[in-house]
Amino acid sequence: DSGVTQTPKHLITATGQRVTLRCSPRSGDLSVYWYQQSLDQGLQFLIQYYNGEERAKGNILERFSAQQFPDLHSELNLSSLELGDSALYFCASSRSWADGELFFGEGSRLTVL
Amino acid sequence: AQTVTQSQPEMSVQEAETVTLSCTYDTSENNYYLFWYKQPPSRQMILVIRQEAYKQQNATENRFSVNFQKAAKSFSLKISDSQLGDTAMYFCAFMKHVNNYGQNFVFGPGTRLSVLP
Repeated sequence: DSGVTQTPKHLITATGQRVTLRCSPRSGDLSVYWYQQSLDQGLQFLIQYYNGEERAKGNILERFSAQQFPDLHSELNLSSLELGDSALYFCASSRSWADGELFFGEGSRLTVL
Repeated sequence: AQTVTQSQPEMSVQEAETVTLSCTYDTSENNYYLFWYKQPPSRQMILVIRQEAYKQQNATENRFSVNFQKAAKSFSLKISDSQLGDTAMYFCAFMKHVNNYGQNFVFGPGTRLSVLP
C-alpha cells in the first residue's frame, strides 16, 4: 500500500459527460501528479501540483482541469468526454516538488461508452 | 524533448534465472534521475530502483541492480534469481525538472516480463 488513495476505482460513463477523479496523497506529501495510461500511449504526464500551486503541465487537454485543495487532496475534472479518453488515470505524490520519487495510487479506470 | 525507449516489448525468463531489461533515454540535461517502476497485474505502480545521474556507482536493491552508462544514455535493469512475483510490466522513467519549480517524469513504453515456473 503506497498510501495514495484514488476514488473511484472504476467509472463508466457516456460521451459528452463530465467526471471528477479524486486523489489523496500520502501523509506529509505536498506534491501531486496526474498521469493517463492508455493502451496505445503508455503513461502520459498530465499535470503537477505542489502545495496548491500548479508547477508543471504536460499534454493535458483543455477539456481537462485539475486543482489541489488546502488539505492537499487533488481532483482531476474531465469534461465533454470522448471515447479516446477511456484510460487508467493515476495519481502520484511526492514529498516535495523536486523529490525524485513518486508513490502511485491504484488508479481510476475510466470507460467512456 | 526527453524521450525514453525500451526496445523489448516482451520478455520471459525461467524462475531463478537472471534477466536484463534495456532502457535508453535522450536528454541534454546533466542532472536528472532515472527509475524503474513495475506494474503487476494488480496495476499498482511500484518503485523498483532509482539512480541519480551524478552518482557513478550503480544502484542496487536486493535482487535488482542497474547498469547506468551515462555517456551512452543507457539504464538497464538486471533481475537476479527471478521469482514468479516479478511477473509484471516494467517501466523505465526519466525525471526532469521543469521551470525550476516543478518536475515531470517521462516513462518509456514498458517491457512485459513473464517469469516462467
